Amino acid sequence: AQSVTQLGSHVSVSEGALVLLRCNYSSSVPPYLFWYVQYPNQGLQLLLKYTTGATLVKGINGFEAEFKKSETSFHLTKPSAHMSDAAEYFCAVSDPPPGNTPLVFGKGTRLSVIA
Amino acid sequence: EPEVTQTPSHQVTQMGQEVILRCVPISNHLYFYWYRQILGQKVEFLVSFYNNEISEKSEIFDDQFSVERPDGSNFTLKIRSTKLEDSAMYFCASSEWGLADYTDTQYFGPGTRLTVL
Repeated sequence: AQSVTQLGSHVSVSEGALVLLRCNYSSSVPPYLFWYVQYPNQGLQLLLKYTTGATLVKGINGFEAEFKKSETSFHLTKPSAHMSDAAEYFCAVSDPPPGNTPLVFGKGTRLSVIA
Repeated sequence: EPEVTQTPSHQVTQMGQEVILRCVPISNHLYFYWYRQILGQKVEFLVSFYNNEISEKSEIFDDQFSVERPDGSNFTLKIRSTKLEDSAMYFCASSEWGLADYTDTQYFGPGTRLTVL
């Protein structure tokens, strides 16, 4: 069975500092990997995803993540935090196609950005 | 930009009552999903729906739950007799099902917060 572990339920960074949100997964097959962001009172918005190909994936709002198979990790980074990045971030995994398989989520990491 | 919408945003109900949560998926999407998040816990998959039938369901999705696509735009989740432990945020999602240009990104709605008293 797949599972996702997000280290740190709450991460706090200063504005302009590096953002690093950690995600490790377990899966019996090479998975698809996703990062979603949830702003207050809004739905889950896709930040980026890895399916196949290049292991460094760039997403919206300056975020990127690198798939490291040997470490079973898919950590999310952003070089310089902005106040608007404050939100809840969810890492998720699914089996590859065929079929639209369910997402398995981590518990989420709340990012706070301090001025 | 097209988006998934959900109504109501917050529903309060008494234990044992039936509730229907409504979702309008993105119009050209063919796969629909319900997930839920109990406060402080993970987002969990409930059910997926394709071609007017359940494609996959989790062990959470027992006989108390049902889904329906009553018309060409709505997708509903019904809980027949709510329990206290059904209190959660319920998210609807939808995705395309392409053939030559396959994409499996699931687009989520803002959620319905269900409170069972």
